[in-house]
Amino acid sequence: NAGVTQTPKFQVLKTGQSMTLQCAQDMNHEYMSWYRQDPGMGLRLIHYSVGAGITDQGEVPNGYNVSRSTTEDFPLRLLSAAPSQTSVYFCASSYLSTGVELFFGSGTQLSVL
Amino acid sequence: AQSVTQPDIHITVSEGASLELRCNYSYGATPYLFWYVQSPGQGLQLLLKYFSGDTLVQGIKGFEAEFKRSQSSFNLRKPSVHWSDAAEYFCAVGGNNDMRFGAGTRLTVKP
Repeated sequence: NAGVTQTPKFQVLKTGQSMTLQCAQDMNHEYMSWYRQDPGMGLRLIHYSVGAGITDQGEVPNGYNVSRSTTEDFPLRLLSAAPSQTSVYFCASSYLSTGVELFFGSGTQLSVL
Repeated sequence: AQSVTQPDIHITVSEGASLELRCNYSYGATPYLFWYVQSPGQGLQLLLKYFSGDTLVQGIKGFEAEFKRSQSSFNLRKPSVHWSDAAEYFCAVGGNNDMRFGAGTRLTVKP
C-alpha cells in the first residue's frame, strides 16, 4: 500500500516554463488536494477535488491548474512559472467526510529561478 | 473564517523534559482539531485529532492534547521528550476543503 505518491521530489524551473506535479493515491479516497508550504505561513490550500471530474479553488489558486480524470490521480500544473511559486508542494487525500484525517505525500520542492 | 495561531515558532527542550506546544484557533462552530508532525523531508503525519467528547485526547508516540473551549486552545503535550521527536508540528482546524493550518512550531531536542 503506497499511500500518496508525489513526483518529482525536486524540480528547478526557469521563469516562464511550465510543468506538472504528479500525485497519485491508492486508497480510493474521494477527496484530493494540493497545498503549498512556505516558511512562517504553514500550509495553504491551492486546489481540491471531491471526485473525478470535480475540482475547485482553494485559498491560493492563481497560477495553478488542476484536473481530475480518475479517482487515483490529481496533477497540478504550473502554466508559466514565477519566482513567487518557489515553495514545497504537498498533495493530500482523504475520504469525503467532515473532520477526517488527511494523508500526505512526501512533497515536491520547487525552485523557480 | 477559521484560523489557527501557533505562538511559538521554535522551541528547544532537553531530552527527557516535558513539552507543551500551544495552539489557539478561531472557528464558528464546534471545531474539528488536529495535530500533525512533519519530519525533515517528509509529508505530514497525523498525531491526534479531536471531534467531540472527552477533551483530553491521546495520540501516537506518547502525545496528548487538551481541548479547552473557553480558551479556544488545543495544546499538545508530551511528558518526556525523545530525541526522535525533533520535527515541525502543525495544528489544524476544520476538515477537507476548509482545513486551516497554523504556521508550525519547530522543536529542537537537546541531548
